[in-house]
Amino acid sequence: NAGVTQTPKFQVLKTGQSMTLQCAQDMNHEYMSWYRQDPGMGLRLIHYSVGAGITDQGEVPNGYNVSRSTTEDFPLRLLSAAPSQTSVYFCASRPRQGREQYFGPGTRLTVT
Amino acid sequence: GNSVTQMEGPVTLSEEAFLTINCTYTATGYPSLFWYVQYPGEGLQLLLKATKADDKGSNKGFEATYRKETTSFHLEKGSVQVSDSAVYFCALEDGNKLVFGAGTILRVKS
Repeated sequence: NAGVTQTPKFQVLKTGQSMTLQCAQDMNHEYMSWYRQDPGMGLRLIHYSVGAGITDQGEVPNGYNVSRSTTEDFPLRLLSAAPSQTSVYFCASRPRQGREQYFGPGTRLTVT
Repeated sequence: GNSVTQMEGPVTLSEEAFLTINCTYTATGYPSLFWYVQYPGEGLQLLLKATKADDKGSNKGFEATYRKETTSFHLEKGSVQVSDSAVYFCALEDGNKLVFGAGTILRVKS
């Protein structure tokens, strides 16, 4: 069991560039989420999904898109990167009936 | 909306000292409460949880009790080790998602 995996680990983008952060889980969890972590602000929810084909916005969705075509994968897309999106991004998953969320190792993104 | 407030850090302690990290919450109803820990360079791991009032969660010598009267879920450990140095996050369950506090950095000196 690899758990929750994220790629890449580090990324540097220029303002205006686009990219996709990958997240995959092999635990057959229905729920998946994306958070960003900024100093002094804890983790804030960007988008989440309760199952394949279903996504919803979290607290800070602007500038990000998601889709959930399979149970395993939940990619996060930045359409036009901005310096305000410099952050550490965490993907998480949990089973429908469970309470514990399992987090990936994170992607550190810098936008210059 | 629901929110979590944690004591600001960093908290610096000597090895074998007693640890308390305060956490209070604002919520409708009685959500499940969690403490997550983030070691340097890693993702978050669940440390302990409590799903109803008066529940005590415990793991690795850490404890926290769900107190609905004071809307608190303070984290305690009787004797910290250098290996406990990490960032600790208090969180509550809000529907399908977690609401996190800002995190508290703990540094333990030998």
